Amino acid sequence: GAGVSQSPSNKVTEKGKDVELRCDPISGHTALYWYRQSLGQGLEFLIYFQGNSAPDKSGLPSDRFSAERTGGSVSTLTIQRTQQEDSAVYLCASSSSRRGSWTDTQYFGPGTRLTVL
Amino acid sequence: EDQVTQSPEALRLQEGESSSLNCSYTVSGLRGLFWYRQDPGKGPEFLFTLYSAGEEKEKERLKATLTKKESFLHITAPKPEDSATYLCAVPSGGYNKLIFGAGTRLAVHP
Repeated sequence: GAGVSQSPSNKVTEKGKDVELRCDPISGHTALYWYRQSLGQGLEFLIYFQGNSAPDKSGLPSDRFSAERTGGSVSTLTIQRTQQEDSAVYLCASSSSRRGSWTDTQYFGPGTRLTVL
Repeated sequence: EDQVTQSPEALRLQEGESSSLNCSYTVSGLRGLFWYRQDPGKGPEFLFTLYSAGEEKEKERLKATLTKKESFLHITAPKPEDSATYLCAVPSGGYNKLIFGAGTRLAVHP
């Protein structure tokens, strides 16, 4: 079946502009995660959605970052007033896990490479 | 604080030269350990999940093992197509966010 998809695959923007990154999870997966992968930083957690529950935003680096998930499916990560340090690959993952479950695998999309000039 | 450390950072092997990658972890209450493979320009691809010490899983030339403090990814008779970055991760917190190691960059030369 179809995996996690993300768009765009690449995004180049100017400092100070807003950007929106999109994630389509695997159909039927209730959990959705955003991660960021920077050179020298590795993969770091940003935000988590589970169904229609309030998201866990504990990994967002600043208030310029926000995300929403509509209808329990598609998610959009928005970065306002982009800075050069926001340049990274933004990865989305989904799983069928519910809160506290320890058995479910997170499947990743191909990522969006963001470059802020 | 939950933590994952991978070694070595980079590994160069000749085709057919077996080796092992290490993943050491510190986590309060292990709820699984995940291995992923990542090719340049792509997202991580799931390989294995291990749940308890002593567990082993195999896939082609790869075998993952788990102890109470670390996991090993053994690569037997590797081929150039095994070249990739191998990532290890553990779930942390009530929402199972993954804490990743920095990865091991494996290069297999013919």
